[in-house]
Amino acid sequence: GAGVSQSPRYKVAKRGQDVALRCDPISGHVSLFWYQQALGQGPEFLTYFQNEAQLDKSGLPSDRFFAERPEGSVSTLKIQRTQQEDSAVYLCASSLVAGELFFGEGSRLTVL
Amino acid sequence: KQEVTQIPAALSVPEGENLVLNCSFTDSAIYNLQWFRQDPGKGLTSLLLIQSSQREQTSGRLNASLDKSSGRSTLYIAASQPGDSATYLCAVRWSNFGNEKLTFGTGTRLTIIP
Repeated sequence: GAGVSQSPRYKVAKRGQDVALRCDPISGHVSLFWYQQALGQGPEFLTYFQNEAQLDKSGLPSDRFFAERPEGSVSTLKIQRTQQEDSAVYLCASSLVAGELFFGEGSRLTVL
Repeated sequence: KQEVTQIPAALSVPEGENLVLNCSFTDSAIYNLQWFRQDPGKGLTSLLLIQSSQREQTSGRLNASLDKSSGRSTLYIAASQPGDSATYLCAVRWSNFGNEKLTFGTGTRLTIIP
């Protein structure tokens, strides 16, 4: 596609629910990143894929967070048993290897 | 620890003025540095990418410079317009083996006063 596409744009979840956020990167982009952005802060790194391989997941805050990219294209970020502190904007970005990053519009998660 | 800092957190200037946004980083061993713009409720828009070997990059009214030895980058905006109002984020990719991620500053919120 023309740009990075994320869905849903907005998600409201009750505490304890599981959520899944989708990212469709720019066609041909090998690298895919997930970031978490709290209000008024810069994005914080969560995880990175090169094709289908998850090469860095050092930023995932707990084992409730899980990401996958099974065919090296679309990626899903899953959060299990959501907590209020998980409320944030989740940003996906893609690039050629070590290239310029292009971001999607983000998925805003609110946990009640 | 590898960190990126942007000061000030907020800046207001009258329309038409030239301005400079600052970014500092703690480790000079960088691979590249990227400047982004973020409008409220939106994702990040890439403005300029400077490779480690470069000193500056220009796009229209924007000019970004890089001084690795002092751990600094600046984003110069010429002849500011109200449409330039946004948060500007600086991000660094360090050259550690196997590192691909960008580390972001907290941004400078710019307001251009008509």
